[in-house]
Amino acid sequence: EADIYQTPRYLVIGTGKKITLECSQTMGHDKMYWYQQDPGMELHLIHYSYGVNSTEKGDLSSESTVSRIRTEHFPLTLESARPSHTSQYLCASSDRKDDISYNEQFFGPGTRLTVL
Amino acid sequence: RKEVEQDPGPFNVPEGATVAFNCTYSNSASQSFFWYRQDCRKEPKLLMSVYSSGNEDGRFTAQLNRASQYISLLIRDSKLSDSATYLCVVNTGGGNKLTFGTGTQLKVEL
Repeated sequence: EADIYQTPRYLVIGTGKKITLECSQTMGHDKMYWYQQDPGMELHLIHYSYGVNSTEKGDLSSESTVSRIRTEHFPLTLESARPSHTSQYLCASSDRKDDISYNEQFFGPGTRLTVL
Repeated sequence: RKEVEQDPGPFNVPEGATVAFNCTYSNSASQSFFWYRQDCRKEPKLLMSVYSSGNEDGRFTAQLNRASQYISLLIRDSKLSDSATYLCVVNTGGGNKLTFGTGTQLKVEL
């Protein structure tokens, strides 16, 4: 089993609130990712990081922001939640060997966010 | 056109059947290919990587056709526990960024 954790697992919140979704991994992986997935739809990469103090936007535009101050921690923040942010958010990590070779991405259990 | 396209299914098959899933990708520069499995309301997990020569892992066989930009997954002697959504995943370029298909849903029935 992968050692990657997300909290909260479920979050129901009102419009306009600031929220932070937590993601932590204990595998010492350099690379971490945030994906967004709506029911029956594909995963979309919204943020990724290749190491401490490195963050990049993914393929899907998102109003969220991320930070990577510690290797093991990659939180995602929404400054002002809206109903359009309702979705499942999945965090993943992988080991870094080089830029070309692939390393398996391990996923956390996800956070189901509902914004009323 | 989506970068990775899959038949969404669902594929309803009896236990013991052989079932095949197909996937096409649009970027000819894609370098690595995978099948992930995602159970209902769970996170995706790597099922197997797909190599140019084709590869097999127990009841699962994956094939890659670079010329046609086509990937397949064959499941033999399907089990009830194989019921899940199978995601075709492609790595394009460096950096380990993955592009996911929408997935093909498999339901194995008694």
